[in-house]
Amino acid sequence: NAGVTQTPKFQVLKTGQSMTLQCAQDMNHNSMYWYRQDPGMGLRLIYYSASEGTTDKGEVPNGYNVSRLNKREFSLRLESAAPSQTSVYFCASGGPRSGNTIYFGEGSWLTVV
Amino acid sequence: RKEVEQDPGPFNVPEGATVAFNCTYSNSASQSFFWYRQDCRKEPKLLMSVYSSGNEDGRFTAQLNRASQYISLLIRDSKLSDSATYLCVVYFYNQGGKLIFGQGTELSVKP
Repeated sequence: NAGVTQTPKFQVLKTGQSMTLQCAQDMNHNSMYWYRQDPGMGLRLIYYSASEGTTDKGEVPNGYNVSRLNKREFSLRLESAAPSQTSVYFCASGGPRSGNTIYFGEGSWLTVV
Repeated sequence: RKEVEQDPGPFNVPEGATVAFNCTYSNSASQSFFWYRQDCRKEPKLLMSVYSSGNEDGRFTAQLNRASQYISLLIRDSKLSDSATYLCVVYFYNQGGKLIFGQGTELSVKP
């Protein structure tokens, strides 16, 4: 199916380990986003990218880095995972400059122990 | 203070009830507005865009008040299947396309 694909779906990390969440979209969207969702907190924007080669900080960027190497892919990296980064992570693409609708991946469940 | 804030809920209503959610935003610059629905921590899905003149889609009505900086969602004749979390979303054109979600309002429709 066309849309937003993110991997892995589930991951358990030890404190201090690093990992990269991958996200790819095949809808030719310029804009892509990474969010985290914690109970009672809604979705909080970590980083976003308005176009290939550009990235901007969102509401909660500390502890994360991102990379937008091409139009399709937008990855999120945790350099040194902390228990506070245990969350569900959603990647999204689209928005008003891409036909309006924002499409989401199915989410990545990350636990840091 | 968050740029986009919502009634936290939960809202517990009987079937057939009318329920309204509000969402306020703090930045008066150019934006677009949306309501999304999320079921059980699955990915959010678009419910409807919000237009300046207000818009309706079946039992759902969305309104925008730019002067007071809020948007609203009205659900008439609630169904059990409407039980979900409703998220208001603001797209900020002047900030490179930043897309901010409210905390979400949980709705539970009971028989």
